[in-house]
Amino acid sequence: DAGITQSPRHKVTETGTPVTLRCHQTENHRYMYWYRQDPGHGLRLIHYSYGVKDTDKGEVSDGYSVSRSKTEDFLLTLESATSSQTSVYFCAIRDGAGISNTGELFFGEGSRLTVL
Amino acid sequence: AQRVTQPEKLLSVFKGAPVELKCNYSYSGSPELFWYVQYSRQRLQLLLRHISRESIKGFTADLNKGETSFHLKKPFAQEEDSAMYYCALGGGGADGLTFGKGTHLIIQP
Repeated sequence: DAGITQSPRHKVTETGTPVTLRCHQTENHRYMYWYRQDPGHGLRLIHYSYGVKDTDKGEVSDGYSVSRSKTEDFLLTLESATSSQTSVYFCAIRDGAGISNTGELFFGEGSRLTVL
Repeated sequence: AQRVTQPEKLLSVFKGAPVELKCNYSYSGSPELFWYVQYSRQRLQLLLRHISRESIKGFTADLNKGETSFHLKKPFAQEEDSAMYYCALGGGGADGLTFGKGTHLIIQP
């Protein structure tokens, strides 16, 4: 398995509180992604990063912000959590370099967030 | 815009029966197609990628550009195949993969 860990793995919080999820990789991969997984919707891209301090929005970015100050860490922040943000959040990484690059993503184990 | 359609939310077959999970895509460029599998509450794992033309755990998938499909097949289902299966599409850019909504495969004994 790719060296990718997410923290926390489980969190319960209340509406209106800030939440930060961390994704840490030891693969030195350039690209990092945050997806959310919801029944009936599959996985939807929230934000992604193509390098340190380089990020862009995905399909469902409203209410979320990200930061990448180091290659190995990609943080997802919910400034003021809402019940609609109850979900399982997956981080993924991709190398993106070399002739063996196939576009494949490697996923973390997920962070289950419940907003009451 | 790129899109992935998995028409079946749920597919239930008996052990030993053939399995086919459908995936259709919409993409204007040269697509990269993948199948991912997710066992109960675990991380997504890559099952197949179209460029490899390999067979993993007895599963195969062929890219049909004319029909814009990438269906996943297995001739004889096993109980351990029960899982969520996601078809994913990429264009090689920085913005990652677009996923279908997934098919929950249940193999009955």
